[in-house]
Amino acid sequence: EAEVAQSPRYKITEKSQAVAFWCDPISGHATLYWYRQILGQGPELLVQFQDESVVDDSQLPKDRFSAERLKGVDSTLKIQPAELGDSAMYLCASSLEGGLLLDTQYFGPGTRLTVL
Amino acid sequence: KQEVTQIPAALSVPEGENLVLNCSFTDSAIYNLQWFRQDPGKGLTSLLLIQSSQREQTSGRLNASLDKSSGRSTLYIAASQPGDSATYLCAVSGGGANSKLTFGKGITLSVRP
Repeated sequence: EAEVAQSPRYKITEKSQAVAFWCDPISGHATLYWYRQILGQGPELLVQFQDESVVDDSQLPKDRFSAERLKGVDSTLKIQPAELGDSAMYLCASSLEGGLLLDTQYFGPGTRLTVL
Repeated sequence: KQEVTQIPAALSVPEGENLVLNCSFTDSAIYNLQWFRQDPGKGLTSLLLIQSSQREQTSGRLNASLDKSSGRSTLYIAASQPGDSATYLCAVSGGGANSKLTFGKGITLSVRP
């Protein structure tokens, strides 16, 4: 069964350092989402891509976060510089084509970030 | 702004009990609703997706219902097992360009042997 791949699974960094996360969606899925989940909370959307274009990045802290999906397939989320409050689980999800009535979002295993 | 609420935050039941998990949302103009399961430190597994025009969906021992007009959904788990212990999250989608999911905080379920 096809799955969303993410790496690394765990990342420990010091504040002010740069970190990057990678996501490979299910093959053929045009829509890719990055969510952030703080412990004890539900995930919140950071950025949504349709193919290589950003559809929604209204909740992305653009002064330190950036995201790209250059060829409309895999994606990278970067934080520079990392702050203590960025410690969270970063989840990537994909769907066949966002906006369809029956469009299930499939989630990867996540990257657990700890900022010291 | 859509808000999703799941109460209580935690629930402990003995094995074999039938149980209901509740979810409420403030804006009834949803496209679909999904229930997810999350094991500690893991990603999310989709359990059921209900279209806005549907009333319920079933998968094995799970049944999810949707009452869009009242802004409520329930997840029914029949004959609970210790392996059902996890956090269950409810999420709604606005559809179209607003297909992002808005999540509740989840209900952490513990099924005692």
